[in-house]
Amino acid sequence: AQSVTQLGSHVSVSEGALVLLRCNYSSSVPPYLFWYVQYPNQGLQLLLKYTSAATLVKGINGFEAEFKKSETSFHLTKPSAHMSDAAEYFCAVRVDTGRRALTFGSGTRLQVQP
Amino acid sequence: EAQVTQNPRYLITVTGKKLTVTCSQNMNHEYMSWYRQDPGLGLRQIYYSMNVEVTDKGDVPEGYKVSRKEKRNFPLILESPSPNQTSLYFCASSNTGITSTDTQYFGPGTRLTVL
Repeated sequence: AQSVTQLGSHVSVSEGALVLLRCNYSSSVPPYLFWYVQYPNQGLQLLLKYTSAATLVKGINGFEAEFKKSETSFHLTKPSAHMSDAAEYFCAVRVDTGRRALTFGSGTRLQVQP
Repeated sequence: EAQVTQNPRYLITVTGKKLTVTCSQNMNHEYMSWYRQDPGLGLRQIYYSMNVEVTDKGDVPEGYKVSRKEKRNFPLILESPSPNQTSLYFCASSNTGITSTDTQYFGPGTRLTVL
């Protein structure tokens, strides 16, 4: 069975600083990996996804993530944080193409300080 | 506008009183799913449906029922709610094309409190 670990339930950065949110996965088969963002009182919005086409994936709002098979990681980065980036971020993996269930990490809440 | 809608958005109820949370999508998606979100646990799948009249259990199906009589609707039914079902619920939908990388689109969530 697959699993996802997000290191750090809370991350705080200053506006303009680098954002790094960590995600490690466990899977016995090649995974499909996703990052979702959840703004307060809203549903989940897809930021980006890895589908084996390219290891560096660019998403919306200036975010990107790099798939590193040797490290079983899919960390999310953004060069310069903006106040509007404050939200909760979820990493997810899917390998069961039948059930199509996403297995989510426990989430990382990003705070951006002025 | 392409969207997944859920109703109600907020619900407070008492133990044992049957309730239904509706989910509707206007994207003609075959696949629909229900998740619950609990602090520190992320989202966990309750039930899913690959198409009309085809439903199956996810990771945490106990205490829940679903039906898929129409393609656009996928209601979640709690026959006898209990306090441990207090949670934030999300409905999601996606295509079921050949690729398994189809994006799942999420509804805005339903916050349920069972007293």
